Amino acid sequence: AQSVSQHNHHVILSEAASLELGCNYSYGGTVNLFWYVQYPGQHLQLLLKYFSGDPLVKGIKGFEAEFIKSKFSFNLRKPSVQWSDTAEYFCAVGQAGTALIFGKGTTLSVSS
Amino acid sequence: DAGVIQSPRHEVTEMGQEVTLRCKPISGHNSLFWYRQTMMRGLELLIYFNNNVPIDDSGMPEDRFSAKMPNASFSTLKIQPSEPRDSAVYFCASLGGANVLTFGAGSRLTVL
Repeated sequence: AQSVSQHNHHVILSEAASLELGCNYSYGGTVNLFWYVQYPGQHLQLLLKYFSGDPLVKGIKGFEAEFIKSKFSFNLRKPSVQWSDTAEYFCAVGQAGTALIFGKGTTLSVSS
Repeated sequence: DAGVIQSPRHEVTEMGQEVTLRCKPISGHNSLFWYRQTMMRGLELLIYFNNNVPIDDSGMPEDRFSAKMPNASFSTLKIQPSEPRDSAVYFCASLGGANVLTFGAGSRLTVL
């Protein structure tokens, strides 16, 4: 069955700490991979995406993610987090034109 | 573009009442999705449409839920009768040629 697993439910960091959020998926065939962010009280917004090509993709606000096909992973990273990065982060997987399957989300809390 | 527009933003109703949530996708987007977000289950796909045709409604919880897309610019999600366990945030999203899902602000439903 198709699924997306996010390893961390809640991550707490201090400002300037480095961040890595894990995402593994189970999906047959070629996939598109996404990270979405949901700030408190807001809707989901696209952070970055991978369709093909360079497996290291850069998104907005200094985030990046690396697609490792052999590990079925698409981990999100940021070298130095800020208080404003406090949000919930969702990994999602899908094929072109079809619905995305989302992970359960990781809540990131950044203290100043 | 105004993005994906959902209404109402908040709805409080009593058990047994009919609830209708509305969505206007981004103009030119051919696919529309309804997701439900709860603390316990995360983001679940309820149903999606391609070119106004329902493609996959396997996520619709039960017969109390129904969705329609009478034209390319409007969709409804109806719950009749509503139950307290239906309380959640319901998101509508649309997908265009760039293969990126764009979400609306969501409709927060509380069933008492």
